[in-house]
Amino acid sequence: GAVVSQHPSWVICKSGTSVKIECRSLDFQATTMFWYRQFPKQSLMLMATSNEGSKATYEQGVEKDKFLINHASLTLSTLTVTSAHPEDSSFYICSAGPRRSDTQYFGPGTRLTVL
Amino acid sequence: LAKTTQPISMDSYEGQEVNITCSHNNIATNDYITWYQQFPSQGPRFIIQGYKTKVKNEVASLFIPADRKSSTLSLPRVSLSDTAVYYCLVGASDYGGYNKLIFGAGTRLAVHP
Repeated sequence: GAVVSQHPSWVICKSGTSVKIECRSLDFQATTMFWYRQFPKQSLMLMATSNEGSKATYEQGVEKDKFLINHASLTLSTLTVTSAHPEDSSFYICSAGPRRSDTQYFGPGTRLTVL
Repeated sequence: LAKTTQPISMDSYEGQEVNITCSHNNIATNDYITWYQQFPSQGPRFIIQGYKTKVKNEVASLFIPADRKSSTLSLPRVSLSDTAVYYCLVGASDYGGYNKLIFGAGTRLAVHP
């Protein structure tokens, strides 16, 4: 199957700082990527849809000014958690699918811990 | 609101066949049915996808009745390493991108020795 990577795999930061997470489609182009957040023992919660060359679409309750998404190319989307707080600590996962494909592939996830 | 409903948990023993059924009563005409497996602290891994009837690959089979309102993932002869959470999702590609996938609670499968 298609490969999606994330970087970093884990990050620890101080409260108030910003953290950038990258999501890359390694062997296909993706006009659309998705960002999810997952808390322990819970399911994945969709945060936003990242659209190449245009603004991201955020799900209800997700602060767009706090979770900045940039999809500057057909293989890269970034999620920046701005002014992170301990409650932002979570497992962040992205997904992408090849054009004209009905299959989404997920990245390995990024564990964010805010102290 | 998730489009799918699955049992919260299941238990099985090594070597047994496990069938997990998912309900998706409001599946759209263009939607495909996809099953993912997730281990702790990892992203979901694609298992199998189908549109109708039966699909089979090297790790699983997927049975979809004619009305497509449900589907059953079949795992033959499970092992301890199959202990994971299994998600059933419905969705389809769109002209300009991909319809977002909304996760339900998934099924937590525990395989015992």
